Parts: sequence; C-alpha cells; structure tokens
Amino acid sequence: DIQMTQSPSSLSASIGDRVIITCRASQDIGESLAWYQQKPGKAPKLLLFGASRLQSGVPSRFSGGGSGTDYTLTITSLQPEDFATYSCQQYYGTPLTFGQGTKVEI
Amino acid sequence: QVQLVESGGGVVQPGRSLRLSCVASGFAFNSYAMHWVRQSPGKGLEWVAVFYSDGSKKFYADSVKGRFTISRDSAKNTLDLHMSSLRAEDTAIYYCARDMAAIGESYFEFWGPGSLVTVSS
Repeated sequence: DIQMTQSPSSLSASIGDRVIITCRASQDIGESLAWYQQKPGKAPKLLLFGASRLQSGVPSRFSGGGSGTDYTLTITSLQPEDFATYSCQQYYGTPLTFGQGTKVEI
Repeated sequence: QVQLVESGGGVVQPGRSLRLSCVASGFAFNSYAMHWVRQSPGKGLEWVAVFYSDGSKKFYADSVKGRFTISRDSAKNTLDLHMSSLRAEDTAIYYCARDMAAIGESYFEFWGPGSLVTVSS
C-alpha cells in the first residue's frame, strides 16, 4: 500500500496568513493526488485533484503543487471559513489511501 | 445537484451484522463507480470498498475483506454495505462517495453526510 504522510498534524494561524501543508507519499504517485477540506461534523469536500487542479467552485486562494513523492497545499490569505482539517489522498495505486489530516486552527 | 444520503447506522454488538444504504440522485448513477469510506472517531479517512459502474469489479480494504459486502441497485440508485462480524474497530462514520469516473481508482468528487456505526456491547 502507498503510505501518505502529512505535516504538520496541526497548525495555528491567523486571518490573512499564508498556510502551507505538505503531503509525502511512500513512492512516486505521478501527481495522482487530491486534497479535501473537512469541517467538524461534516463530510469531506474535494478541493483539488491532479495535485494542482482546482475543483469547480473552490476559491482561488487554494492552490496545490508538487510532483513525485512530495506535494503541497497552499492557502493564501487564510479566511475564517478555512479553519478546518485538510487531508490528501493518492489515487495512483489501490487501495486508495489518505494522509492522517492537518488541522488548521485559529 | 448531486446528492448522496446514507442510512442504516446505529449501535450494534460485536459479532453482529448491520446494513448501510446510500441513495443517490442528481446524476447518472450507472456511469460512476461508488465507494464507501469511513472515519473512526478522531482519526483519518479510510477507504473501505468500491463498486465499479458496470458491476464488473468490487474491491475491499484488507481490514474488512471477507466481512463486508458492497452492492448496488441501478434501478433504485442505491449503494449498500452489508457489514458482518463487526468489531469495535469498525466503529466509525461511514460515508458514501462518488468516484469521478466509471472505474473506482480515482478521487472522491461527492460525499454523503455520513452514517455513524458504533460497535459496542
């Protein structure tokens, strides 16, 4: 199985900050990576796929990058509604696997 | 718009069975692979099972293989998960999720709100 490791596991940030979350795969996943946002008591919401492609309706302050085994999710100018847990997921190989999540707190 | 709604969760004793259902609407159900994904309390997301759109393939996570069965009814636009020999570690919120494609080897484009399963004596 492909292991996905996110860092940090949590972070504190302020409104307007730039936040970067990293996701490392245990092998090359060829940019087959998605990012999700999850708020307490809610289902995950797809933000990006293909490592850098923004899902329809997602604000442009979210961006993704990376290749090979290392990927990033960047939130420029953090907004109040962005405080949530973010998870990466690889779809290069089966079983589909997720990172453990990064909680973004005020 | 796409809607997925799970039902059937609850409290069940270890070793017993439970069936979850997901009703889908707002899209061509037969054109997409459908998954179950779970999240244990305070933990990360774990893929559980997938059913390809054409019914040709079903796959399971090792942690549930032999105990869980995924099925789908295209006439009713429903996806089920029959869970047997339940263990405490199966306690989780179970989400129904739609793949972005017909084969279930991609990302999850839409999710239901989830159904809580608690395995406890």
